[in-house]
Amino acid sequence: GAGVSQSPSNKVTEKGKDVELRCDPISGHTALYWYRQSLGQGLEFLIYFQGNSAPDKSGLPSDRFSAERTGGSVSTLTIQRTQQEDSAVYLCASSLNSGTLHTQYFGPGTRLTVL
Amino acid sequence: QKEVEQNSGPLSVPEGAIASLNCTYSDRGSQSFFWYRQYSGKSPELIMSIYSNGDKEDGRFTAQLNKASQYVSLLIRDSQPSDSATYLCAVSRGKLIFGQGTELSVKP
Repeated sequence: GAGVSQSPSNKVTEKGKDVELRCDPISGHTALYWYRQSLGQGLEFLIYFQGNSAPDKSGLPSDRFSAERTGGSVSTLTIQRTQQEDSAVYLCASSLNSGTLHTQYFGPGTRLTVL
Repeated sequence: QKEVEQNSGPLSVPEGAIASLNCTYSDRGSQSFFWYRQYSGKSPELIMSIYSNGDKEDGRFTAQLNKASQYVSLLIRDSQPSDSATYLCAVSRGKLIFGQGTELSVKP
């Protein structure tokens, strides 16, 4: 079956612009996670959704970052007023349900470059 | 101290050898552990999950968990050049907490 999909695969933007990244989870998966991977920082958790609600937003690095999920499916991660330090690969993952026992499956990622 | 620690490597082994990858974690209450493989420029893909003390085998891969010592390891038998990748250890609290990853290079 189809895996997690993300778009765009690559995004180049200028400092100060807003960007939106999209994630489409595996069908039937209720939990959706956003991570960021950058050189020197490894893979970092940003936010997760169970259904449409976000019980844990603790990883969002600043108030320039926000995310939403509507209809319990597609999620968008928005970065406002992008900065060069936002350059990274943004990865989305989904799992059947939230909780520690459920495997998370990753999408291909969006590579964001802020000039 | 990081919550999940791995040797960054690179770890280099000859083809056909056993590769041993290690991971330690700080939260004694952790229950679920995952090994992901990540090829350069690609996203992580699941290799193994383990929840109970002891060994879990899947083909050429064996995960080992010792909760008392707070370590998880991954053994890759009969290593192949196609196993060359970065191996990420993760502890689950719902969200995954990742180590920095160990780069493995298998030389023909």
